[in-house]
Amino acid sequence: EVQLVESGGGLVQPGRSLKLSCAASGFTFSNYGMAWVCQAPTKGLEWVASISTGGGNTYYRDSVKGRFTISRDNAKNTLYLQMDSLRSEDTATYYCARGGRGTGGHDYWGQGVMVTVSS
Amino acid sequence: DIVLTQAPLSVSVTPGESASISCRSSKSLLSSKGITSLYWYLQRPGKSPQLLIYQMSNLASGVPDRFSSSGSETDFTLKISKVETEDVGVYYCGHRLEYPNTFGAGTKLELK
Repeated sequence: EVQLVESGGGLVQPGRSLKLSCAASGFTFSNYGMAWVCQAPTKGLEWVASISTGGGNTYYRDSVKGRFTISRDNAKNTLYLQMDSLRSEDTATYYCARGGRGTGGHDYWGQGVMVTVSS
Repeated sequence: DIVLTQAPLSVSVTPGESASISCRSSKSLLSSKGITSLYWYLQRPGKSPQLLIYQMSNLASGVPDRFSSSGSETDFTLKISKVETEDVGVYYCGHRLEYPNTFGAGTKLELK
């Protein structure tokens, strides 16, 4: 069974940092591109970043470029999102999602982790 | 960035009836490989999103065939026939043609 379990969220002050993790199991992690998608309270889905299977290619939405870093450790089956210089508008639930190989869509999602940026 | 516009923003349906949701793209979602990069997701209340439809018209694993989707390069329709209680939630269209990936604003489906 495919499982994605996020951790690392919490309350953080503006300008500070946070690192999210997503532990993957039930599939060969290194064979799949991965992504982070966020959802601000009562709002819709917003793609944040994606990473290729080997980690060599990364992509970001403009609002997080230079502040967030997506990475992965295929030996540990874990996806990360390093979030620096956090802003109040980064407050959201963050989901990690698998990029389906046959489907091309985000075919499995974690349960999400809440990040609150507030003083 | 590609803008996906969904309509309506909310729909109220009698159980057993059908519902349709529209998604319009600001750019063709037909890739150079001949794949239409349009996806439909359902987010049930309090849950994570789940993939319903991939590449415009293909049912994801485990999705009942009451769901169907069709469209052109820029205009798409998700149809739910014989709506059931478990279909309640917010439906999002999304694309993966290029970066940034984007999603529509969502359509909330409620039961009458």
